[in-house]
Amino acid sequence: DGGITQSPKYLFRKEGQNVTLSCEQNLNHDAMYWYRQDPGQGLRLIYYSQIVNDFQKGDIAEGYSVSREKKESFPLTVTSAQKNPTAFYLCASSPSGLGGEQFFGPGTRLTVL
Amino acid sequence: AQSVTQLGSHVSVSEGALVLLRCNYSSSVPPYLFWYVQYPNQGLQLLLKYTSAATLVKGINGFEAEFKKSETSFHLTKPSAHMSDAAEYFCAVSRPFYGNNRLAFGKGNQVVVIP
Repeated sequence: DGGITQSPKYLFRKEGQNVTLSCEQNLNHDAMYWYRQDPGQGLRLIYYSQIVNDFQKGDIAEGYSVSREKKESFPLTVTSAQKNPTAFYLCASSPSGLGGEQFFGPGTRLTVL
Repeated sequence: AQSVTQLGSHVSVSEGALVLLRCNYSSSVPPYLFWYVQYPNQGLQLLLKYTSAATLVKGINGFEAEFKKSETSFHLTKPSAHMSDAAEYFCAVSRPFYGNNRLAFGKGNQVVVIP
């Protein structure tokens, strides 16, 4: 079945450590996105990529980094510079044609202790 | 800049009653509009989308939404609520003239269904 996988489902890290969240898709979509979700805040865009080897900052990119070396993969690194990293992180992808909806992965809940 | 407004973070509805979730957007050009549903600790699932075809859009699970340009609204409705409709609902808008499918989301409505 085609879809988006995120791993792990739950992640615990100590303060000051970098952590990388995995996102893989087999939908053959060109575009991929990372969102952060906090209670009552909706979804906020961290980074997005429309094509391999290219990505753009979203609304809250500070303290995060990404790479897009393969079409199917878009890992997100939460660095120690992110002041409040505990959140639910969602990855999504979409086809390149305009009006195409975004398809979401199941999410990773990151807790920084 | 575009934004999406969803009023009322928590919405309570009796089982069998009408579900109405309001969404208003601001955009200088006709946007694409989406409603997504999220169950606890899961990703988002598309309910329906408007992409400048019919203004009344039917989606999954009996939901529908009507695009009203004059009111800049895209309200979501379902005639009769089921217990399984308890979830969080998000309205989102994209700006196709920027050449991508980047979305801006509202803050969501947490729907509680009362037996």
